[in-house]
Amino acid sequence: KQEVTQIPAALSVPEGENLVLNCSFTDSAIYNLQWFRQDPGKGLTSLLLIQSSQREQTSGRLNASLDKSSGRSTLYIAASQPGDSATYLCAVRPREAGTALIFGKGTTLSVSS
Amino acid sequence: KAGVTQTPRYLIKTRGQQVTLSCSPISGHRSVSWYQQTPGQGLQFLFEYFSETQRNKGNFPGRFSGRQFSNSRSEMNVSTLELGDSALYLCASSLYLDPLSYNEQFFGPGTRLTVL
Repeated sequence: KQEVTQIPAALSVPEGENLVLNCSFTDSAIYNLQWFRQDPGKGLTSLLLIQSSQREQTSGRLNASLDKSSGRSTLYIAASQPGDSATYLCAVRPREAGTALIFGKGTTLSVSS
Repeated sequence: KAGVTQTPRYLIKTRGQQVTLSCSPISGHRSVSWYQQTPGQGLQFLFEYFSETQRNKGNFPGRFSGRQFSNSRSEMNVSTLELGDSALYLCASSLYLDPLSYNEQFFGPGTRLTVL
């Protein structure tokens, strides 16, 4: 059964730091992996989608990598800002039938000015 | 282009009642899925629809049901509400069901359900 883990659960950094969020999954049989951002009490905002055949995707200050064989993905945030404070979730789409996205519990990021 | 919309945004119900939540996908999107988010369990998959057919179903009791209409709008229903059903219910839409395609999921703002 696919499981997704995100470590650490919480992270506090000063403004301007570059940081890496980690996501690991137990079964490499996935179609894709997607990173989301969630602000308190809000829905999810899609950040990046990486297909299983891809190694990385970039959008602005964000870069996500995928190493399917080792079951790992990282989200790199460059030059962090207070507005980046949110919970970051990763989710995989398994190849097994019967399910859609499987989510990690998220990393709550706090960027102080 | 308008995003995914969900109505109502907030609901308060009592145990034993039933509730219906609505989701309108992004225009042109034909796949809709539903998730339950709670502090303890995180985000859990409920069901996924494509072209009015349920394609996948998560591990929830039969009290949870859903449907999709010809215009791709979807509803989910929870009967005989329990305290543990209190959660944020999120709907997501995507352009294609085929996960081999570029199949980015876009989420709505959610419906916050409180069961008293």
